[in-house]
Amino acid sequence: ETGVTQTPRHLVMGMTNKKSLKCEQHLGHNAMYWYKQSAKKPLELMFVYSLEERVENNSVPSRFSPECPNSSHLFLHLHTLQPEDSALYLCASSQDGGGLPYEQYFGPGTRLTVT
Amino acid sequence: DAKTTQPPSMDCAEGRAANLPCNHSTISGNEYVYWYRQIHSQGPQYIIHGLKNNETNEMASLIITEDRKSSTLILPHATLRDTAVYYCIVRPISNSGYALNFGKGTSLLVTP
Repeated sequence: ETGVTQTPRHLVMGMTNKKSLKCEQHLGHNAMYWYKQSAKKPLELMFVYSLEERVENNSVPSRFSPECPNSSHLFLHLHTLQPEDSALYLCASSQDGGGLPYEQYFGPGTRLTVT
Repeated sequence: DAKTTQPPSMDCAEGRAANLPCNHSTISGNEYVYWYRQIHSQGPQYIIHGLKNNETNEMASLIITEDRKSSTLILPHATLRDTAVYYCIVRPISNSGYALNFGKGTSLLVTP
């Protein structure tokens, strides 16, 4: 595997289900991100982890819970979602630190549908 | 962060150069200009970035005006696979994980 991978690629879940999205980066980066992209809206940042610590949390509802067990893996745990949470969820990674503007590499995304 | 302004859509004939403009008149001295693109239903893809000098890589060229208030992304020989939404993003140097503020971008349609 190379780059940033995400599983599953598609997920349909009911509002009472609990599921998790997984992201893995094979680039040796130390920062990882979750973005949400709803239909016809710009990408919205959800969470940022740098060196396995959460450094940004953009007022995301508590029904979304991130987990970063190590610098290569990032999870997004989902529970009691709403239909409006249906979106493309994108994971990204980058090298971080030293004040240099490293580029972010994105995974293919998980298309989530909440029924 | 400085705001960016891009035209909502552009067309380009296959094989021709695609020149995508971006206005960032409030950019400050420590902010870089980044370009990403997103092909339909895929994750965004990094293209190029620059501070004040023009930059070129295997994908594109980035021309930044001397006053840094605008820039142009050039795809020298557009192909049908270059049809995508192109995002111009300004971000500062940062010591910690930093989000990219994607706006609405420019939807580029490359036609045969």
